[in-house]
Formats: sequence, structure tokens, C-alpha cells
Amino acid sequence: NAGVTQTPKFQVLKTGQSMTLQCAQDMNHNSMYWYRQDPGMGLRLIYYSASEGTTDKGEVPNGYNVSRLNKREFSLRLESAAPSQTSVYFCASTLGTGAEAFFGQGTRLTVV
Amino acid sequence: KNQVEQSPQSLIILEGKNCTLQCNYTVSPFSNLRWYKQDTGRGPVSLTIMTFSENTKSNGRYTATLDADTKQSSLHITASQLSDSASYICVVGARGGGYNKLIFGAGTRLAVHP
Repeated sequence: NAGVTQTPKFQVLKTGQSMTLQCAQDMNHNSMYWYRQDPGMGLRLIYYSASEGTTDKGEVPNGYNVSRLNKREFSLRLESAAPSQTSVYFCASTLGTGAEAFFGQGTRLTVV
Repeated sequence: KNQVEQSPQSLIILEGKNCTLQCNYTVSPFSNLRWYKQDTGRGPVSLTIMTFSENTKSNGRYTATLDADTKQSSLHITASQLSDSASYICVVGARGGGYNKLIFGAGTRLAVHP
């Protein structure tokens, strides 16, 4: 029972490089989310997909793009990485509004 | 502005002792309040979810309380174990927007020492 799977677990990028963080869930959830977690702060929503075929900006979307590839997969892309994007990124999924949220293991990204 | 404040920031207790973590929130419109446990290097894992009408919910040695009038919640851990060492995050769900709008506290880092 995998739940929410994120890849990679760790990544180091140089400023200006691009990369895509992958997320997949096997719980048949409708909604998926990308958050970032910075020291001393609560998780902040970057983008979300309320249902397959839709995506919307969250609290801190600048510098990111997302793709809801199908019901299972939701990817986050950094087109031109900046040091300010050094963070731990979490993908989450829920069956619907008000439902329990399940999180992946996180991706620790460092931009130098 | 929607906010969730947690106290204390960090806490050290001895194995077997009890502790209580606090959460104050200003989130509107309120939908639910959740407590998550986050082990180092892992994603958050749900402990409890409470709606407006619930004022207490237990999950094993974890008991969460909610006072929707004062907008306060607490998480009580009974007979602590070394495995309870983690960050505990209070999360408030807001209604509306068509998605799970969650506002996260910064967490309380708990260390249980033998």
C-alpha cells in the first residue's frame, strides 16, 4: 500500500537549472497538492489540483508550474531554479474537501 | 488573515511523562481542525480531525480538544514514549474554494528523553 510517492528524495540544483518533481498516489483521490516547508514556518501551498484536468495557484506559486498528468500523477516543475526555492517539498492527496490529507515523504531540494 | 499559532516551539520531556501542546487559530470560515505528527525526514501523518461540533477526539495515547468559541485546541500526549519524538503540527481547514484549504502551524518540536 504505497499511498503517496514522491521522487526524487534529494536534489541539488545550480541556479538557473530546471527540474520536475514527480508525485503519484494510488488511493484514487480526486485532489492533489504541492506544498513547501521552510524552517520555522508552516507548510505553504504552491499549487493544487481539485480534480483531474484542473490546476490552480496556491499561496506561493511564483517560479513553479504544475501538470496533472492523470488522476494518479501531479508533477511540479521549476523552470529556472533560484536559491529562494531551497526547501522541502511535499505532495499530498485527499479524496475531497474536508477529507484526510495523505502526504508523501518529501523532496529536499537545495539550489546553489 | 488566516493564522495558526502553536506553543511551545519546542519541548523536552522524560519518557513516561504527559505533555500538552497548544494551538490558537484565526481562520474563517472554519471547517475542521487537524493534528499531524511529522517524524524527522518524513511527511506529516494525520492523528486526529475534528469538526466544529466535536470538542474532543482520541487516537490511542493522543487526545485532541477543540474550543471553537475561543478558537483554541490542545493535543495531550499520555505516558510518552521515545517514538513520540517528532514535530506536531496543528492544521486548520477553511471552508470554501472547492478544495481542501489547509492553514498550517509551524509545529511544536517534541523530544522525549529516556
